[in-house]
Amino acid sequence: EVQLVESGGGLVQPGGSLRLSCAASGLTLSSYWMTWVRQAPGKGLEWVATIKEDGSEKYYVDSVKGRFTISRDNAKNLLYLPMNSLRDDDTAVYYCARVAPTRYRSGWAFDYWGQGTLVTVSS
Amino acid sequence: DIQMTQSPSSLSASVGDRVAITCRASQNINSYLSWYQQKPGKAPKLLIYGASSLQNGVPSRFSGSGSGTDYILTVNSLQPEDFATYYCQQSYNTPITFGQGTRLEIK
Repeated sequence: EVQLVESGGGLVQPGGSLRLSCAASGLTLSSYWMTWVRQAPGKGLEWVATIKEDGSEKYYVDSVKGRFTISRDNAKNLLYLPMNSLRDDDTAVYYCARVAPTRYRSGWAFDYWGQGTLVTVSS
Repeated sequence: DIQMTQSPSSLSASVGDRVAITCRASQNINSYLSWYQQKPGKAPKLLIYGASSLQNGVPSRFSGSGSGTDYILTVNSLQPEDFATYYCQQSYNTPITFGQGTRLEIK
């Protein structure tokens, strides 16, 4: 059974940093593109970043470029999202998700999701 | 950026009803369209990918259609567990964008 478990969320002051982790089990992480999606309290879904299987390609939403860095350690089956210069509007539940292997014909659909980790940016 | 607009924003229906949710993209997305269901406090669940392909394990009462800029999620014979919020998502271009969501409530 595929499981994704996020960790690393918490309360941080504006301008601070956090590093989110996503531990994968039941799948070989190195075989899949992976993504981070966030959801502010009471709001909709927002794509944050996606990384290729080998880490050679990374894509970001403009609002996090230069502040967040998606990375992965395939040997440890771990996905990361270090976040710097955090702002109030980064407050959200952050989900890691797998990009479905059908991406070549159907685009990036996200077929497995973690339970999410809450990041609260507040003074 | 490609804007995704869902309608309606909310919808009331009864068990057994058939409902349709539409999603319009601001440009052609070539069927690179997915649909998700989300229940309160839970992660989203993939229902449909490639505009019309049913994800493994999703009941056949869910179906997707459309092309170009206009897409529809249809749920036949609503069940109690279908009352949730639904999102469309395009992956034709980055940034990946989602619709604002459609809340399906029990009438």
